[in-house]
Amino acid sequence: AQKITQTQPGMFVQEKEAVTLDCTYDTSDQSYGLFWYKQPSSGEMIFLIYQGSYDEQNATEGRYSLNFQKARKSANLVISASQLGDSAMYFCAMTAASGNTPLVFGKGTRLSVIA
Amino acid sequence: DAGVIQSPRHEVTEMGQEVTLRCKPISGHDYLFWYRQTMMRGLELLIYFNNNVPIDDSGMPEDRFSAKMPNASFSTLKIQPSEPRDSAVYFCASSTYKGGAQYFGPGTRLLVL
Repeated sequence: AQKITQTQPGMFVQEKEAVTLDCTYDTSDQSYGLFWYKQPSSGEMIFLIYQGSYDEQNATEGRYSLNFQKARKSANLVISASQLGDSAMYFCAMTAASGNTPLVFGKGTRLSVIA
Repeated sequence: DAGVIQSPRHEVTEMGQEVTLRCKPISGHDYLFWYRQTMMRGLELLIYFNNNVPIDDSGMPEDRFSAKMPNASFSTLKIQPSEPRDSAVYFCASSTYKGGAQYFGPGTRLLVL
């Protein structure tokens, strides 16, 4: 079974700085997918970025990048040039890419961007 | 393209009343998921459907909870009778395949008094 661990309950970052949100995972599958979601105070869950376990390059989507270290089983989210609107809860999730399991979510990290 | 649509956005009801939450998934998505989110338990998967068929309902907390998907564009989650501990945000999400990115609706914030 898959498991996601997010060890940072809360993080602070200065506006315009970069921040890294940690995510480690555990799985016995060789093929899997890793995801990050953002949940602002308004409550919706927004899909940010995806990384496949066989992808050789780290995924990037605008200011978001995923620092994927397979041997360490980590999939950290890096947000560059933080903005006040980045303040939100961030959830890491994973699934077996074979498609046999739905997403498993971590408990989340609350990011606060300070002006 | 329209995203996942949920209604109502907010629901306040009294203990013992029936509550029905509704969801319209993204067109073409074969999987539909119902989640519940609380401060104490985080995000919990309640049930999911594939091609309108319930696949795994092991997350449904009690017999008071039931879910249906009569067609590809509509699903309901019903709580009867409702209890204060059912107060939570209920999300519906859809995806093109089970292990793919799920796209969430805005959620229904339920308060049972």
